[in-house]
Amino acid sequence: EVQLVESGGGLVQPGGSLRLSCAASGFTFSSYDMHWVRQATGKGLEWVSAIGTAGDTYYPGSVKGRFTISRENAKNSLYLQMNSLRAGDTAVYYCARASHYAFDIWGQGTMVTVSS
Amino acid sequence: DIQMTQSPSTLSASVGDRVTITCRASQSISSWLAWYQQKPGKAPKLLIYKASSLESGVPSRFSGSGSGTEFTLTISSLQPDDFATYYCQQYNSYPFTFGPGTKVDIK
Repeated sequence: EVQLVESGGGLVQPGGSLRLSCAASGFTFSSYDMHWVRQATGKGLEWVSAIGTAGDTYYPGSVKGRFTISRENAKNSLYLQMNSLRAGDTAVYYCARASHYAFDIWGQGTMVTVSS
Repeated sequence: DIQMTQSPSTLSASVGDRVTITCRASQSISSWLAWYQQKPGKAPKLLIYKASSLESGVPSRFSGSGSGTEFTLTISSLQPDDFATYYCQQYNSYPFTFGPGTKVDIK
C-alpha cells in the first residue's frame, strides 16, 4: 500500500525548533518530488516546502530561512526542520507526494502548536 | 507570487444538482492546475490534475476544464459523499499556491 506517515509534531514555545518526519512506503521514494503543506485550524491549505529528486529545495517567503526540507532516500524518509517558530506556524503539517506535479498521496498530518 | 481565487466561497446544493466551482489565477498558469477535495479532519484528496485529467479512482461525475487564468470544477450530479471543501492549486511556478477553498454544503 502506498502510504505516507508523519511524526514529530507537538507543543513548542515561540522561538523554538521542531523536526517533522515523513515515512514513505509502497513506492520508489527516490523517484518523486516531495512536499510539505500545512493547514491552520479552520483555515485553508498553505504550501510550505518542496524537495526535488535531485535535492533541489523550494520555500515560500513565509518560511524561507527558518524551515529546511531534506530527504534520506535510503530510509524512505522526508524531513522538515523548523526553527524560530512563531504562533502563526501553528497548524497541521502534511507531507505529500508529487505525481504529474500535483499532490497525489498525502499523509494523515501531524499537529504543531507554537505557544508559551 | 501567483494568487488564486475561488468562487463561490460557500455553495449550498442538493443531491443530484450540477455544481460548478470557479478558480482564477492572477497570471497565466497554462494547464498546471489541480483540484482537491477535503473532508473535516482528513487530508486532501486529489481529484483533477493538469486542469482536466481525472485522477485514477475518482468518479467520472467530477470534471475539470480551463486554461490560462480561468478554470472550473464541475460535479455533474452531486452525491452525499461530495459534501466537502474543494481547493484549487497552481503548480506552474514556485511558490505553489492554493485557492481559499469552496465549501459545498447541504441545501
